[in-house]
Amino acid sequence: ELKVEQNPLFLSMQEGKNYTIYCNYSTTSDRLYWYRQDPGKSLESLFVLLSNGAVKQEGRLMASLDTKARLSTLHITAAVHDLSATYFCAVHGSGTASKLTFGTGTRLQVTL
Amino acid sequence: GAVVSQHPSRVICKSGTSVKIECRSLDFQATTMFWYRQFPKKSLMLMATSNEGSKATYEQGVEKDKFLINHASLTLSTLTVTSAHPEDSSFYICSARYDRGFYEQYFGPGTRLTVT
Repeated sequence: ELKVEQNPLFLSMQEGKNYTIYCNYSTTSDRLYWYRQDPGKSLESLFVLLSNGAVKQEGRLMASLDTKARLSTLHITAAVHDLSATYFCAVHGSGTASKLTFGTGTRLQVTL
Repeated sequence: GAVVSQHPSRVICKSGTSVKIECRSLDFQATTMFWYRQFPKKSLMLMATSNEGSKATYEQGVEKDKFLINHASLTLSTLTVTSAHPEDSSFYICSARYDRGFYEQYFGPGTRLTVT
């Protein structure tokens, strides 16, 4: 059974600081997603990472994937208040018709 | 991009009643639809997977008689919470997938169910 762990679960950081959220998974996967969720809302897709060494960046967020270590990171650069949200990684099992398994989520609070 | 809608966005019902939530793929044919449940400050938990025209596959621990899922067409799946109780109060999110190419999943906006 695929297990996905994120840490930290909660992150409070000041504006302007950098930080990294980690996502570990237990078995082989063919892709990994990062999503953002605002309170009371559904998921917003941020990144999909397909291969070992994949790196994607959008604004102050950068995601990377190490399939050998079964680890993905979401790096936040110079955080701003608007980035406050909960971030989930989700791992797709091997095979195109597999389902997604979500991590525990990281609640990010960026303070002024 | 692909759009998935849910209706209603919020619903309040009394204990013992049933409530139906609709999930529609607006601009593509959803071969597979998924239903998730999310408790406050928790992650998404997959409840069931449904394929058009066949019975849903439920995850372990999810009562199929309580959470009835119907995937009647390639653009519509419904989740009916039967004889709802306060512990069924939750945020329900559906997603839809077109089973060709990349097999991407698209998420609906969610339905907040409150059972009083």
